Amino acid sequence: DAGVIQSPRHEVTEMGQEVTLRCKPISGHNSLFWYRQTMMRGLELLIYFNNNVPIDDSGMPEDRFSAKMPNASFSTLKIQPSEPRDSAVYFCASTWGYRAGALYNEQFFGPGTRLTVL
Amino acid sequence: QKEVEQDPGPLSVPEGAIVSLNCTYSNSAFQYFMWYRQYSRKGPELLMYTYSSGNKEDGRFTAQVDKSSKYISLFIRDSQPSDSATYLCAQTSYDKVIFGPGTSLSVIP
Repeated sequence: DAGVIQSPRHEVTEMGQEVTLRCKPISGHNSLFWYRQTMMRGLELLIYFNNNVPIDDSGMPEDRFSAKMPNASFSTLKIQPSEPRDSAVYFCASTWGYRAGALYNEQFFGPGTRLTVL
Repeated sequence: QKEVEQDPGPLSVPEGAIVSLNCTYSNSAFQYFMWYRQYSRKGPELLMYTYSSGNKEDGRFTAQVDKSSKYISLFIRDSQPSDSATYLCAQTSYDKVIFGPGTSLSVIP
């Protein structure tokens, strides 16, 4: 398996532009998570989906951020309009989701998208 | 107050040293604990998982949980340059994971 795939790996854009980050989870995984990582705030959960349905979006910073998961193999995180304070590394992670008898769920992370907003 | 706190470091040790990485947590509802390792410009990867208080050993790594004091530790014996990374402790309630900010470790040959 190729693991979690994210694109693009690097994105440099100007303030006010729309940014779309993409994620392909591991095949068979039912839960998908979007995180943002900065030196100041560490790894923050933005939103997570279970079976393509958003479960918790309380970490989405504001209305400029939106996320979709139209099917089990694809998700997007969109920022419109982007601002310099959005500069960070954005990670997507996936897990198996609920499995009877399992005590925990290992999260498998993608390589991240490094976003720079000028 | 963050739910999971760590000293961010950076921590620099000579090769072969014993390393101790520590976390504190505030939310007792999350019963499972994990350590993730993140190499530079990579995503985090699960290193160890534990549930109950006490020690769990895996090779050179030992994870320790003290629920009475809400303290989580990771010990690395005979540290190697390849252990140089950021270590994130985390609590999980199965689906959701709360990460600490991470401690940056450098092992100098």
